[in-house]
Amino acid sequence: DSGVTQTPKHLITATGQRVTLRCSPRSGDLSVYWYQQSLDQGLQFLIQYYNGEERAKGNILERFSAQQFPDLHSELNLSSLELGDSALYFCASSETLAGGLTYNEQFFGPGTRLTVL
Amino acid sequence: AQSVTQLDSHVSVSEGTPVLLRCNYSSSYSPSLFWYVQHPNKGLQLLLKYTSAATLVKGINGFEAEFKKSETSFHLTKPSAHMSDAAEYFCVVYEGSYIPTFGRGTSLIVHP
Repeated sequence: DSGVTQTPKHLITATGQRVTLRCSPRSGDLSVYWYQQSLDQGLQFLIQYYNGEERAKGNILERFSAQQFPDLHSELNLSSLELGDSALYFCASSETLAGGLTYNEQFFGPGTRLTVL
Repeated sequence: AQSVTQLDSHVSVSEGTPVLLRCNYSSSYSPSLFWYVQHPNKGLQLLLKYTSAATLVKGINGFEAEFKKSETSFHLTKPSAHMSDAAEYFCVVYEGSYIPTFGRGTSLIVHP
């Protein structure tokens, strides 16, 4: 058990809908990362937050947004859903901000499997 | 720009035989390199990481990897495979930014 929790575990919805995925990082971790894993794209970094602020953006669509709250939990909002958004969404957390020559280990949650019908 | 290539999408070995999972990277600077493992229906777990210290890195569960700058490689090895090693393995590179680049993954199959 990594200490990172994600809810819900599974989510089935229809095209055009909006969903919110939730992540609670490990106790004390200030950085939260979101990833999308699909068969055709592999594992893609979406976005990173550090202590409530956005720090890095990867391949995140404009229909997607995220935020990190004062209690450090994070939410990923996916809107105007398309069939191609069906994927496993992972959240990860790490202790501090990565930088310099040292990058911190990320602890991954179990993921949320999103199915768009 | 950074990139990472895992040279095999699947590797099949017999239990008790050596494991070699290959990873090549492209980086303009000195990279930091990681190997993660993902068991079925689980999140990723760190196996080991290289961050410019010793070039031979030891990780959990008997895995190790060697950073070879001249070959731009960071191959993962284990002397003797165990059935519990069957999983998906990801090579990851960071190059001076907060954004990791993941390889496409290598599925390790272990036969009894």
